[in-house]
Amino acid sequence: ILNVEQSPQSLHVQEGDSTNFTCSFPSSNFYALHWYRWETAKSPEALFVMTLNGDEKKKGRISATLNTKEGYSYLYIKGSQPEDSATYLCAFRNTGNQFYFGTGTSLTVIP
Amino acid sequence: DAMVIQNPRYQVTQFGKPVTLSCSQTLNHNVMYWYQQKSSQAPKLLFHYYDKDFNNEADTPDNFQSRRPNTSFCFLDIRSPGLGDAAMYLCATARTGVRDGYTFGSGTRLTVV
Repeated sequence: ILNVEQSPQSLHVQEGDSTNFTCSFPSSNFYALHWYRWETAKSPEALFVMTLNGDEKKKGRISATLNTKEGYSYLYIKGSQPEDSATYLCAFRNTGNQFYFGTGTSLTVIP
Repeated sequence: DAMVIQNPRYQVTQFGKPVTLSCSQTLNHNVMYWYQQKSSQAPKLLFHYYDKDFNNEADTPDNFQSRRPNTSFCFLDIRSPGLGDAAMYLCATARTGVRDGYTFGSGTRLTVV
């Protein structure tokens, strides 16, 4: 069984706070690491596709880093807003074209 | 816009009454997936198609079947739904050979009464 772990499972922050969470995945047979943002009653929305060790990607106030050698990725949100409230899912894709999801981090931003 | 569409958004079925969920895509992606997600758990892969080739996960119950009549459509059939099958069912598509991720449908929330 291949484990992709996300921590924390849930997080409550005040509006304006910055926050980060972690996705851990196997360091072997790496192909890509995907981050998704999933709001209730909507489709998961792709945030980042990360492929190279040391990758850093940014989209507005959200950024992500990747370490394939040690098997982790961080997602950062700067100056959280209530509209950032969602579940953030990571998915590990291996060289066999298989996707494995983490359990997600549920973020609630309190106005 | 190219997209993945799931119908219906919400489905209520009776215990033991067969139900079919549908997924269609305009992306011409060759791979289609069905995931089941229960509350506070990771999405669980049920099965997927690489083109016409069907791949069933080892722990997917026999109660769950799938059909892909063409590239655009994929169906999830639950032959005799039990209370434990109540969940969100997500369809996703992808392309092999590129590092793109999935494109998801909006999901179907299944309630079994």
